[in-house]
Amino acid sequence: GAVVSQHPSWVICKSGTSVKIECRSLDFQATTMFWYRQFPKQSLMLMATSNEGSKATYEQGVEKDKFLINHASLTLSTLTVTSAHPEDSSFYICSASSAGPSYNEQFFGPGTRLTVL
Amino acid sequence: QKEVEQNSGPLSVPEGAIASLNCTYSDRGSQSFFWYRQYSGKSPELIMSIYSNGDKEDGRFTAQLNKASQYVSLLIRDSQPSDSATYLCAVRLSDAGKSTFGDGTTLTVKP
Repeated sequence: GAVVSQHPSWVICKSGTSVKIECRSLDFQATTMFWYRQFPKQSLMLMATSNEGSKATYEQGVEKDKFLINHASLTLSTLTVTSAHPEDSSFYICSASSAGPSYNEQFFGPGTRLTVL
Repeated sequence: QKEVEQNSGPLSVPEGAIASLNCTYSDRGSQSFFWYRQYSGKSPELIMSIYSNGDKEDGRFTAQLNKASQYVSLLIRDSQPSDSATYLCAVRLSDAGKSTFGDGTTLTVKP
């Protein structure tokens, strides 16, 4: 199956700092990438959808100026949490889909656990 | 009404039994259907995809789709303790675009 990586796998930062999370598709070209957030024992919450070379489409209630998404290439998308606060502590997961044979399927990265002190 | 609904569970079955997980969706235009498994603290892993009515089997897993009833299910035969996880149903409306996920059903397989 397709492989998606995320970096870092976990990060601890101080309140007010910014954190960048990278999502890479390793063996396919990801025309679309998705960013999710998941709080403990809760369901996945889609934050935004990004297509390569285009601005991300944010879900209702997600602050686009706080969660900056860049999808500059077919294999890399980044999520930057700006001026992070303790309430931003969560499990951030990216997923990617391609225009290839498995274009309907979304493949998830392993996730990044963010803790804001 | 949620777009994708799953039994919240938890569902508990003994080892070796069949686990049945159900999912209904609201949009009749949905074309693609997926089951993901998510272990605690981990990200979801795709285990089955199904696009046409009927059954699709892969090892111990069988996905069943009934578009007329807007219903998709996942059967796990010979359940193992390692199958204990949360199972997410996802539905995709069109070829391109996001999938809508259900809240998941937590399955526990007891030895």
